[in-house]
Amino acid sequence: EPEVTQTPSHQVTQMGQEVILRCVPISNHLYFYWYRQILGQKVEFLVSFYNNEISEKSEIFDDQFSVERPDGSNFTLKIRSTKLEDSAMYFCASIRGGGYYGYTFGSGTRLTVV
Amino acid sequence: AQTVTQSQPEMSVQEAETVTLSCTYDTSESNYYLFWYKQPPSRQMILVIRQEAYKQQNATENRFSVNFQKAAKSFSLKISDSQLGDTAMYFCAFMKPSYNNAGNMLTFGGGTRLMVKP
Repeated sequence: EPEVTQTPSHQVTQMGQEVILRCVPISNHLYFYWYRQILGQKVEFLVSFYNNEISEKSEIFDDQFSVERPDGSNFTLKIRSTKLEDSAMYFCASIRGGGYYGYTFGSGTRLTVV
Repeated sequence: AQTVTQSQPEMSVQEAETVTLSCTYDTSESNYYLFWYKQPPSRQMILVIRQEAYKQQNATENRFSVNFQKAAKSFSLKISDSQLGDTAMYFCAFMKPSYNNAGNMLTFGGGTRLMVKP
């Protein structure tokens, strides 16, 4: 069964450093998402991406965050200057149509900012 | 904005027994979708079951079924014949269709940690 692949599974970074989280969505999917889950808290929507541009973003997704699809297969989330509060699990997801049959999520990247 | 509430942070059940996880939501929409996702220790979010709001019939997937009460805005998950592999975090999620599919984001509840005991 097709999968959404995320790398790395765990990343530790110093506060203030830039990080790039990588995702390979399912190849025939058209819509891509990033969600975040701070330890012990809810899973929260960050951003959606379609046709090479951001479609929707939450209040969390401020100027420190950016997304791109550099080569038609990878979908990346960049955090320019990480803060301690960015420590969380980051999930990538993709859907082909409206997501009415559910999203396909990746296994997540655990980001630890020290 | 929609909100999703899971009032049971943790639950446990004996293997082979039945357990029900609660979920309530708040929305003014009439057309929407509801989901239960499972997050085992491997962390991946796995779709368990889905329900379309305009369908009155409760969804069923093998040992998993829902009790969807639209008027009460309640969407509980019943797991029958619980198995050790059902041990996981379970998230209830709401989705309102938007004018563009990219806006179909999920709103999650806080999760219920389920432990199945041998």
